[in-house]
Amino acid sequence: GENVEQHPSTLSVQEGDSAVIKCTYSDSASNYFPWYKQELGKRPQLIIDIRSNVGEKKDQRIAVTLNKTAKHFSLHITETQPEDSAVYFCAASKGGSYIPTFGRGTSLIVHP
Amino acid sequence: DSGVTQTPKHLITATGQRVTLRCSPRSGDLSVYWYQQSLDQGLQFLIQYYNGEERAKGNILERFSAQQFPDLHSELNLSSLELGDSALYFCASSGGTGSTGELFFGEGSRLTVL
Repeated sequence: GENVEQHPSTLSVQEGDSAVIKCTYSDSASNYFPWYKQELGKRPQLIIDIRSNVGEKKDQRIAVTLNKTAKHFSLHITETQPEDSAVYFCAASKGGSYIPTFGRGTSLIVHP
Repeated sequence: DSGVTQTPKHLITATGQRVTLRCSPRSGDLSVYWYQQSLDQGLQFLIQYYNGEERAKGNILERFSAQQFPDLHSELNLSSLELGDSALYFCASSGGTGSTGELFFGEGSRLTVL
């Protein structure tokens, strides 16, 4: 089955810095890559996603890039703010099932 | 508010006991997924139901079972509970009209086994 590796497990940055979280996947048939944000004590929520026919997608301060050849994708957050502090999960899924396999999560801490 | 409702929010029980977690999906969503989140762990997929039928199984223990009822709500049954079953159990739904693949998570049920 699919295996998703996510790094780093913890990322500490100063407010205003950029943050990058990287994930790799194993199944070349995966074609949908969502990112979820989970604030402390809250439910995971989708923040951005990308499909395999697109190399990059942006939404304001966040962007995701996908390299299908290398089977890795990354989340980029620019101009980080304290409210960006949360656990971020990458995931990969394929076909019409959309059952995502999640990475282990990255705890992002943004220091004011 | 995601539109997914989970009950109970918190549950404390003893080893060897059995509990039932309940999930009501978003209106119009046909798929229900159950995930387990242990301390410092990611989201482990347990099982998916689609319109009343089991669609996919993940790392679900034999002591655990689930079902989806005709009104599309779902229940996750955990039996012969062990200390290691303590975790946050999330239900998610998707599959409504215009579904993009996004999962909508409930607030979770926190299970503590003593």
